[in-house]
Amino acid sequence: GAVVSQHPSRVICKSGTSVKIECRSLDFQATTMFWYRQFPKQSLMLMATSNEGSKATYEQGVEKDKFLINHASLTLSTLTVTSAHPEDSSFYICSARESRGAQETQYFGPGTRLLVL
Amino acid sequence: QKEVEQDPGPLSVPEGAIVSLNCTYSNSAFQYFMWYRQYSRKGPELLMYTYSSGNKEDGRFTAQVDKSSKYISLFIRDSQPSDSATYLCAMTLGAGNMLTFGGGTRLMVKP
Repeated sequence: GAVVSQHPSRVICKSGTSVKIECRSLDFQATTMFWYRQFPKQSLMLMATSNEGSKATYEQGVEKDKFLINHASLTLSTLTVTSAHPEDSSFYICSARESRGAQETQYFGPGTRLLVL
Repeated sequence: QKEVEQDPGPLSVPEGAIVSLNCTYSNSAFQYFMWYRQYSRKGPELLMYTYSSGNKEDGRFTAQVDKSSKYISLFIRDSQPSDSATYLCAMTLGAGNMLTFGGGTRLMVKP
């Protein structure tokens, strides 16, 4: 299957700082990428849909000014958690949608564990 | 009622057992069905992808879709401890549409 990478895999930061997470599709182009958040023993929660060259679409309850998303190329989307606070500590996972004709498949990155002290 | 229902488990089985994981859904317009496996502290990994009704087999894994009952299954034969993970079902209406996930079933295969 296609490969999606995420960097960093783990980050610890102080409260008030900003953290940038990168998501790359390594062997395919993705016009659409997604950002999810997952708390321990819970399912994936979609935060936003990132479209190449346009503004991201945020899910209800997700602050767009807090979670900045940029999708500047067909292989890279970034999520920046601005002024992070301890309640932002979570597992953030991106996914990229590969389109092959009528078939679309979503591949996930390995996730980024964020701990805000 | 959630659009996709999945028993959270945990489901505990002995090594070598046949495992049956299931999801039910309410939207009859779903056309594409997927199963993902997620190990602890990792991103989900695509296991199976099926379109419409029927069966699909890949090694020890068989995915089954029954659109008339709005029910999908994933069977794992000869289960191994390395199969211990959370299994997520997902489905979509088609191209350009979002994936809708089940909540995941945690599976534990004991040696």
